[in-house]
Amino acid sequence: QITLKESGPTLVKPTQTLTLTCTCSGFSLTTSGVGVGWIRQPPGKALEWLALIYWNDDKRYSPSLKSRLTITKDTSKNQVVLTMTNMDPVDTATYYCALWRYDAFDIWGQGTMVTVSS
Amino acid sequence: QSVLTQPPSASGTPGQRVTISCSGSSSNIGRNYVYWYQQLPGRAPKLLIYRDSQRPSGVPDRFSGSKSGTSASLAISGLRSEDEADYYCAAWDDRLSGPVFGGGTKLTVL
Repeated sequence: QITLKESGPTLVKPTQTLTLTCTCSGFSLTTSGVGVGWIRQPPGKALEWLALIYWNDDKRYSPSLKSRLTITKDTSKNQVVLTMTNMDPVDTATYYCALWRYDAFDIWGQGTMVTVSS
Repeated sequence: QSVLTQPPSASGTPGQRVTISCSGSSSNIGRNYVYWYQQLPGRAPKLLIYRDSQRPSGVPDRFSGSKSGTSASLAISGLRSEDEADYYCAAWDDRLSGPVFGGGTKLTVL
């Protein structure tokens, strides 16, 4: 069974850096063709893609947030980490990680709510 | 403002067929696959349709996807109360080098 689970702080202060971890099970981050991505959803709003890392370490970022994002993977732990710098209250959202395969985000984690407030 | 355009809301009565549209451009829907997600209240999104019209295992055949040019549609036949959810379309965008989402459509079953 494939599962993904997000973890990280629920509250961060403005200007701080957010670090989120996606722990994956049931598949390997080194399997050819797969990737893991991050998507966020502000309360009551639409989904927004943030970043994607492939099995071969190729990385893609949302152009509008590229300067603030870094995505990495630790194959020994089967984890994907997203860092977002200079957090702002508008970054308050539920952050999801998801398995990328068949040209889609196939399986999603449950999401983790992050609030940005002083 | 989302790259893909969806109507904010749709509705139907049980048993009806409803369709949700998704409009894009030549850099996304026009040359790449479309996928659809269902998000039940308080839940994570779930892949409903991939590669324009394919259903993952476990998705009822009441759900179908189609695409023509730079637009796509999701059809739900035999509408049921449990179909009440938000529906999002998405596609890879060659210009942005990443996936883009629609603004979502809230489906109400009357």
